[in-house]
Amino acid sequence: AQRVTQPEKLLSVFKGAPVELKCNYSYSGSPELFWYVQYSRQRLQLLLRHISRESIKGFTADLNKGETSFHLKKPFAQEEDSAMYYCALETSYDKVIFGPGTSLSVIP
Amino acid sequence: DVKVTQSSRYLVKRTGEKVFLECVQDMDHENMFWYRQDPGLGLRLIYFSYDVKMKEKGDIPEGYSVSREKKERFSLILESASTNQTSMYLCATGVTWASNTGELFFGEGSRLTVL
Repeated sequence: AQRVTQPEKLLSVFKGAPVELKCNYSYSGSPELFWYVQYSRQRLQLLLRHISRESIKGFTADLNKGETSFHLKKPFAQEEDSAMYYCALETSYDKVIFGPGTSLSVIP
Repeated sequence: DVKVTQSSRYLVKRTGEKVFLECVQDMDHENMFWYRQDPGLGLRLIYFSYDVKMKEKGDIPEGYSVSREKKERFSLILESASTNQTSMYLCATGVTWASNTGELFFGEGSRLTVL
């Protein structure tokens, strides 16, 4: 079965502290993984994808196939990072499924 | 800029009514998706379509149907709305998996309330 889990519904950190949002997946094929973000009153948008191995807004994510994880990290949280974050899995049949999301709150 | 337009931002319907949610995209994307977004449950895939007249069930298709008669338009239909279908509905578009880009582009959402 294909599934994406995000164990934390809410995560609060202080400004300047490190952030890690957890994501685990189950998929028997070769996964394509993404992080999407939704800021208040804005559309859901792509933050980063594992295949690009890029850093966006200071965020990085590494695919760990052994642990079936794709955790999102940032060394120093900023207030503007407060948002809803969703981990997503794309299967080889163009199906894209999302996790339940983590609401990140950065405290000034 | 990719534009994904959902025709109705807010709808209020009564139980048993037939509801149409429309989504139009202007980027010639093959794939289109309908999700519902609920607090604590995230985005759940209802249906998706990878080509005109083609559709695939997602994880929660019960109570919904879809139509894709033209490439740019993907409609979600609630044949007989029920209160448990009160939700935010999100449409998204994207290119195929084979293109290796994977990015989905989302509409602003349609908030449906069923009384």
